[in-house]
Amino acid sequence: DAGVIQSPRHEVTEMGQEVTLRCKPISGHNSLFWYRQTMMRGLELLIYFNNNVPIDDSGMPEDRFSAKMPNASFSTLKIQPSEPRDSAVYFCASSLGRGSDIQYFGAGTRLSVL
Amino acid sequence: GQQVMQIPQYQHVQEGEDFTTYCNSSTTLSNIQWYKQRPGGHPVFLIQLVKSGEVKKQKRLTFQFGEAKKNSSLHITATQTTDVGTYFCAGPQSGTYKYIFGTGTRLKVLA
Repeated sequence: DAGVIQSPRHEVTEMGQEVTLRCKPISGHNSLFWYRQTMMRGLELLIYFNNNVPIDDSGMPEDRFSAKMPNASFSTLKIQPSEPRDSAVYFCASSLGRGSDIQYFGAGTRLSVL
Repeated sequence: GQQVMQIPQYQHVQEGEDFTTYCNSSTTLSNIQWYKQRPGGHPVFLIQLVKSGEVKKQKRLTFQFGEAKKNSSLHITATQTTDVGTYFCAGPQSGTYKYIFGTGTRLKVLA
């Protein structure tokens, strides 16, 4: 199993540009999570999906952030327009989705907004 | 809302010394998970505890779940440089698939 796959691994962009982060969960996993990690705020859950449906997006910082999961094998997190304070490492994780599940994290996308 | 705190935030130890990190939840937990994140890496699952007072060991690592199921600890005996990283506990939010991650304890081991 290839694990959770995220792309790109690194993204450098200028303020105001649109950024799209991609995630492929582990096959057979029904829950998908997007996290943001910074030194100041630690590991924050942004949104999670179950069976491709967004269940809780209360962690999404503002309307500039949006996430989709068009099918069981793909999800995107979009920031439009990006701002320097969005600079962070963004992790995607997946789990079986049956409660009390282990979460498997991808390698993350390190985003720098200049 | 539900909060999960860890202490200490940072810990530097000499190689061979013991290390303990403590995790406290504002609510009773059905279970607790521990993850390790190496520098530059991603969180990796270590263990899950479910029962009140449960103790589990993985080689030099000992995990404990409190009797009231609101706190947990991770103890490492005789630390090695390979133990370097940030250790997170995570507790489920009741009625959801969502886990609340603790603030993490960053461990540095000096050779």
